[in-house]
Formats: sequence, C-alpha cells, structure tokens
Amino acid sequence: NAGVMQNPRHLVRRRGQEARLRCSPMKGHSHVYWYRQLPEEGLKFMVYLQKENIIDESGMPKERFSAEFPKEGPSILRIQQVVRGDSAAYFCASSPQSGGPGTSGTGSYNEQFFGPGTRLTVL
Amino acid sequence: GENVEQHPSTLSVQEGDSAVIKCTYSDSASNYFPWYKQELGKRPQLIIDIRSNVGEKKDQRIAVTLNKTAKHFSLHITETQPEDSAVYFCAASRGRALTFGSGTRLQVQP
Repeated sequence: NAGVMQNPRHLVRRRGQEARLRCSPMKGHSHVYWYRQLPEEGLKFMVYLQKENIIDESGMPKERFSAEFPKEGPSILRIQQVVRGDSAAYFCASSPQSGGPGTSGTGSYNEQFFGPGTRLTVL
Repeated sequence: GENVEQHPSTLSVQEGDSAVIKCTYSDSASNYFPWYKQELGKRPQLIIDIRSNVGEKKDQRIAVTLNKTAKHFSLHITETQPEDSAVYFCAASRGRALTFGSGTRLQVQP
C-alpha cells in the first residue's frame, strides 16, 4: 500500500511564475490536508479538502493561493505569481476520514499520514 | 483558534537518559494529540498519539500523558539513543486540521 505521494519533490520558480504542487493520498483516503513549513519552524495548516470540496481554507492566504481535489486525480495546491516569501516546504497529509464533534474517539480516524513534501524555492 | 505552545525548543541529553517535551493547548474542544518526529529533510512521522478520553499511553520507550484540566500533554522518551535525535512536534486537533507546536530539537549525545 503506497504512502502519500507528492510531486515534484523540489521546485524552483522565479518571482511571478506559477507553482503547482501535487498530492496523491494513500489508497482509500478521501481527506487531504496541506501544510506549509518555513525553515526552522513548525507546520502551519493551510487547507483541508475532501473529494471535490474545500472543507476548511482558513489557513490559506487570501490571494494567489488555491487548492483543489478533483473527483479523479491528485489534489493540487496552486500558487500564482510566486514571491520569495513563498519559499518553503509544502507537505500534504491524508486521512481515511475526519473525526468531527461527537466521534467516539476510538480507531485511527484522525491519524494523518504525511507525504515527503515539495520544497519550493523562489529565486 | 487553537494555539499550541511547546517547550523546550532544544534539548540535549546523554545516551541512555530520559527526555521530556511539554506542550500546552488553548482549545478545550481539542480531542486528539499526536506527536511527530521529523528528521532533517524528511517528512513528519507519527510516533504516538493520544485521545482526550485517555490519560496516558505507552509504546515501548515512548509515552505520552495528557492532563485535560490543565490543557497540557507531554512526550517522554526513556533510554534515549542517538537515532532518537530529530525535531519533535506536538499537535492538537478537534478532529480536522492539526495545529502544531513550534518543535523541539532533541540531540542525544553518544
């Protein structure tokens, strides 16, 4: 059972270009999360998606960033007109389902498995 | 929203000693608390987690404790080994997105 896949692993862009980051969740997982990690810092939540739906984008910058998780194919994080401050490692994670309020608290429903990350460098 | 504080930011121990990392959280509705280990240039890897209906959980040399009243949880690593050297992150969640602490860089001296 392949783990979470991300590509590319490394991406170099010049200021003003577009960056597209792809994430294929683990088999059987329908929930995808994107996190950003700046050098020497922790991971910051960006967006949570299910197939064809954005559930929570509260951590996503309002401009230039967008995400999708189509019915077929990987989830994509898109950054338009990149700036140097976008340089970071972008990790996606997948889980089999979400444990919302009222969940019993048993099983591994909350467990998130991370991909290897895409390291974006903006020149 | 949730806020997770993690201490210490760096920790150096001698091989064989114990290491303790502490985290506090702000959202009393959080009910899931995982710990991740991240080696340089690698993905975060889940090493142990605990849910709010449990006070303590142990897996070999690793244990986690949770105090819901005080809203803090801790990671305990016993008999540390050089391969335990990495950055450790705590996180809290109410079922969806994880809010991470700022990380603890653990160095185990041989």
